[in-house]
Amino acid sequence: QQPVQSPQAVILREGEDAVINCSSSKALYSVHWYRQKHGEAPVFLMILLKGGEQKGHDKISASFNEKKQQSSLYLTASQLSYSGTYFCGTEFYGSSNTGKLIFGQGTTLQVKP
Amino acid sequence: EAQVTQNPRYLITVTGKKLTVTCSQNMNHEYMSWYRQDPGLGLRQIYYSMNVEVTDKGDVPEGYKVSRKEKRNFPLILESPSPNQTSLYFCASSFGGAYSYNSPLHFGNGTRLTVT
Repeated sequence: QQPVQSPQAVILREGEDAVINCSSSKALYSVHWYRQKHGEAPVFLMILLKGGEQKGHDKISASFNEKKQQSSLYLTASQLSYSGTYFCGTEFYGSSNTGKLIFGQGTTLQVKP
Repeated sequence: EAQVTQNPRYLITVTGKKLTVTCSQNMNHEYMSWYRQDPGLGLRQIYYSMNVEVTDKGDVPEGYKVSRKEKRNFPLILESPSPNQTSLYFCASSFGGAYSYNSPLHFGNGTRLTVT
């Protein structure tokens, strides 16, 4: 039931792009994305609600493909401040699951100068 | 300042000694939740609450209890802690209630618990 994130870890140079994927074996109602810096609490990035929806936040954007039961987070022209662990959180269709936000295992991103 | 406050930040205890981790939010949020974070496993949901007196199990509820007597508070209780409950715990809240999918989670700063 836990969504699967890939890759598990990625190392970039400043200015390079990265894609983090979040895949589910169950139909998704929504996908949340959060970033956690070392020793800190996770911080909200964005929520995607509809199949095919795309959102952007500065140079970080995301898409949600309902048919593929997958979401992708795109980090463009990465900056040092993008370093951290990225988590997707998913809610599944079905009233019994409402309120249960299930997170993936996380993707660690390191941006080097 | 809008925030979720957890206490304590660090706690070392022994097996079997009951403990409570407090969580309070000042944003009038309906939805509150507890997660534990372990290396390689991400954030796993322990319990959540859609509103006062409404709580439900997450994915890893065994060994934990919660209560929601007031909107702002959502304490996590470990009646008889064991070493496998050593972890980093996060409390989170959102406006959501029944619409939690539409609201971002605000996390507390975490409680690092060690059970020996």
